[in-house]
Amino acid sequence: GENVEQHPSTLSVQEGDSAVIKCTYSDSASNYFPWYKQELGKRPQLIIDIRSNVGEKKDQRIAVTLNKTAKHFSLHITETQPEDSAVYFCAASNLAGNQFYFGTGTSLTVIP
Amino acid sequence: EPEVTQTPSHQVTQMGQEVILRCVPISNHLYFYWYRQILGQKVEFLVSFYNNEISEKSEIFDDQFSVERPDGSNFTLKIRSTKLEDSAMYFCASSGTLSSSYEQYFGPGTRLTVT
Repeated sequence: GENVEQHPSTLSVQEGDSAVIKCTYSDSASNYFPWYKQELGKRPQLIIDIRSNVGEKKDQRIAVTLNKTAKHFSLHITETQPEDSAVYFCAASNLAGNQFYFGTGTSLTVIP
Repeated sequence: EPEVTQTPSHQVTQMGQEVILRCVPISNHLYFYWYRQILGQKVEFLVSFYNNEISEKSEIFDDQFSVERPDGSNFTLKIRSTKLEDSAMYFCASSGTLSSSYEQYFGPGTRLTVT
C-alpha cells in the first residue's frame, strides 16, 4: 500500500517568514494530494490540493508543488501569521479517491 | 455552507460494550469515510463507502467494525466489543460531487473514551 512520509514533525518560524513542509509518497498510482490544517481539538480542514497533472498550485499565501518523478510534494506558506499555527497533514489518494493515506503531521508554530 | 455533522461529540463506554457513532454527510456527496486519530497522532483511514457498499478498508477495520447507511442521510460506524485501544477521535468525512470528486470535508469528530 501507499506510504506517506512528512517532514519536519515540528517547525517554528518568525512571523512574516516562509514555512515549507515536505511529503514523499511511494505509490506511483497516487494522483491526488491534499493538505489539511488541524487546529487543536478541531477537525482537519482542506487548505489546498493538487492533482498529478499539475506541477504547482497557488492560493494567496499558500502554494503546493508536486514532483511526480521524485514522488514528493511540498506545502509553502509565505508571510506567515500567528493564526497559521496548527498541525498540517499531507495526504495522498488513488485515482478512485476511495482511500487516503495521511502523513504524520507537522506542528507549525509562528512566533509573533 | 454545508457541513458534515457528527453525534455524539463525546462518547464514554466501558470495555466490551458496543458503540455506534453517527454522521450526516454533506447531502450531495457520494463518498463517505471514517477515520481514526489517536491523541497526538496522525489521521488513520478506516473505511470508505460508495454506492451503499464498502469501497476500501484498511487493516485497522477488522470484524470489530462495521458501517451502515441506514437511510438517505445518516452514515454510521459501529464498534463491537470496544477495547481500551479504541479510544480515539473518530472523524467522518464526505466527498464527491459531479464536478469535484476528491475534496474531502471532515466532520467535527466524536471523541470515544473506552474505560
